[in-house]
Amino acid sequence: DAGVIQSPRHEVTEMGQEVTLRCKPISGHDYLFWYRQTMMRGLELLIYFNNNVPIDDSGMPEDRFSAKMPNASFSTLKIQPSEPRDSAVYFCASSRLKSPLHFGNGTRLTVT
Amino acid sequence: KNEVEQSPQNLTAQEGEFITINCSYSVGISALHWLQQHPGGGIVSLFMLSSGKKKHGRLIATINIQEKHSSLHITASHPRDSAVYICAVPGVKAGGNEKLTFGTGTRLTIIP
Repeated sequence: DAGVIQSPRHEVTEMGQEVTLRCKPISGHDYLFWYRQTMMRGLELLIYFNNNVPIDDSGMPEDRFSAKMPNASFSTLKIQPSEPRDSAVYFCASSRLKSPLHFGNGTRLTVT
Repeated sequence: KNEVEQSPQNLTAQEGEFITINCSYSVGISALHWLQQHPGGGIVSLFMLSSGKKKHGRLIATINIQEKHSSLHITASHPRDSAVYICAVPGVKAGGNEKLTFGTGTRLTIIP
């Protein structure tokens, strides 16, 4: 079991650029979650999928953020255009129903 | 939204001491999560519990559903236990992991 794999680990970009974060969940897990962690707000749920279908995206901050899960083994979180206030650590996690979460190592995003 | 409060926010103790971290929440839940975040940033799920007590090595988690309170205990604490411990509870209608609300975390430092 390779665990949840996120890429890149670090991303530094300029304001206005498009950023794409990637996640490969654990095989067999039917839930996938995207979280954002900042010093000010802690961990926040952005969006989650069940069986590749987005169930709740009410945590997505604004239309600049979008997420997709084209198949059971891949998801992306895209920010376009990026802004300095998007700087944070973005975590992907996966799980089975009513089972513990498995987190990726996170992507540290810095927007200058 | 379920309100989650953790205490203390920071805790420093000597190696070998018994540690207790508390978590209170406002609305009845199906399960509560304890997470550990190491200085490197990775997040690990320690426990997911809905009643009673669970034990894993030197870590013990308890929950009192009636009082809406959970505790995480560490026996014979060790410097490698130094981390941020986060409590999380699901939304009211959720089954287990959906729409988790996270506590602000307890930063634990164990001094050799």
